[in-house]
Amino acid sequence: NAGVTQTPKFQVLKTGQSMTLQCAQDMNHEYMSWYRQDPGMGLRLIHYSVGAGITDQGEVPNGYNVSRSTTEDFPLRLLSAAPSQTSVYFCASSYGSGLNTEAFFGQGTRLTVV
Amino acid sequence: GQQVMQIPQYQHVQEGEDFTTYCNSSTTLSNIQWYKQRPGGHPVFLIQLVKSGEVKKQKRLTFQFGEAKKNSSLHITATQTTDVGTYFCAGGNYGGSQGNLIFGKGTKLSVKP
Repeated sequence: NAGVTQTPKFQVLKTGQSMTLQCAQDMNHEYMSWYRQDPGMGLRLIHYSVGAGITDQGEVPNGYNVSRSTTEDFPLRLLSAAPSQTSVYFCASSYGSGLNTEAFFGQGTRLTVV
Repeated sequence: GQQVMQIPQYQHVQEGEDFTTYCNSSTTLSNIQWYKQRPGGHPVFLIQLVKSGEVKKQKRLTFQFGEAKKNSSLHITATQTTDVGTYFCAGGNYGGSQGNLIFGKGTKLSVKP
């Protein structure tokens, strides 16, 4: 099994550009989420999904959109990139109730907005 | 909203010394998870604690969950260079979903050989 796969691994955007960070998991997990990691800030939740067709906002959702059309995929869209969105982005998934199972993280996407 | 505080932010130790990181929540937690992130890597699950006062061990690592389920600690005995990385705690809410898994800011451990 590949686990959680994120693409791309690195990306440089110009301010105002849009892009989609891809996340796919092959473990048939219901729960998926996106975090951003900034120095000294830990992992902050952007959006999450408890199943196909269901998404909700996390702690820092502004400037990001998500959708969950299939169990496997959970893309994160940056609508109009800003330098404040420079960060490392992690996608995670877990089986069943996220409170009682471990979260599996992807390798991360390092995004720089200039 | 719920907050999970983790201290210290950084810890530098000599190889062989012990290391402890502490996690405190502003509210009662349903469970707590611990993750390790190696430099340049992604967080990897270490363990979950659910019961009040629970203590679990993994070789040189000892995890504790407080009686009030508001605090937790991770203790590493006789650190090794392979222990280098950032350790995160993540607390969960009663009746919540993965969306309510709140991460602490992490403790970055460096080990001098």
